[in-house]
Amino acid sequence: DGGITQSPKYLFRKEGQNVTLSCEQNLNHDAMYWYRQDPGQGLRLIYYSQIVNDFQKGDIAEGYSVSREKKESFPLTVTSAQKNPTAFYLCASSRDRAYGYTFGSGTRLTVV
Amino acid sequence: DQQVKQNSPSLSVQEGRISILNCDYTNSMFDYFLWYKKYPAEGPTFLISISSIKDKNEDGRFTVFLNKSAKHLSLHIVPSQPGDSAVYFCAATSGGSNYKLTFGKGTLLTVNP
Repeated sequence: DGGITQSPKYLFRKEGQNVTLSCEQNLNHDAMYWYRQDPGQGLRLIYYSQIVNDFQKGDIAEGYSVSREKKESFPLTVTSAQKNPTAFYLCASSRDRAYGYTFGSGTRLTVV
Repeated sequence: DQQVKQNSPSLSVQEGRISILNCDYTNSMFDYFLWYKKYPAEGPTFLISISSIKDKNEDGRFTVFLNKSAKHLSLHIVPSQPGDSAVYFCAATSGGSNYKLTFGKGTLLTVNP
């Protein structure tokens, strides 16, 4: 079955450490996205990529970095510069507008 | 500036009745709208969408209405079922956005048995 896999589901990080969240898709979608969900804030766009080796900042990119070396993979690194990293992170991919996004099941990151 | 607004954080309805979730937008360039449903600790799932060339789209129990002049859309669920209890997100995109969706903050729907 095609889909998006995010790992791990739960992640704990100590303050001052970088951490990388994995996102893999086998849907052959060109575009991929990272969103963050906080209570009462909805989904806010961190980074997105429309093709391999190219990506753009979203609305809240500060403290995050991404890479897109393969079509299937779009990892997100939460750096120590991100002031409030505890959140639920969602990865998505899309084929075209009519179908919107397909989302992964998310990663809950907690800074301890 | 919030371009997609869902002004009701929560809504509670009785099983079998109609649920109406509302969404307003400010960006007149938006021309495609979608609704997603999300359970806790899961990713959102696509429900239904509508293009700006239409004013209504139906899919089973779900109907989305679009009023372009008012920049308003609504999702109707009839009849509501307890399994519909979830957070519903409204999203919008424009032709020049390269598929990028802008989401509202969501409305928590609770359907009581």
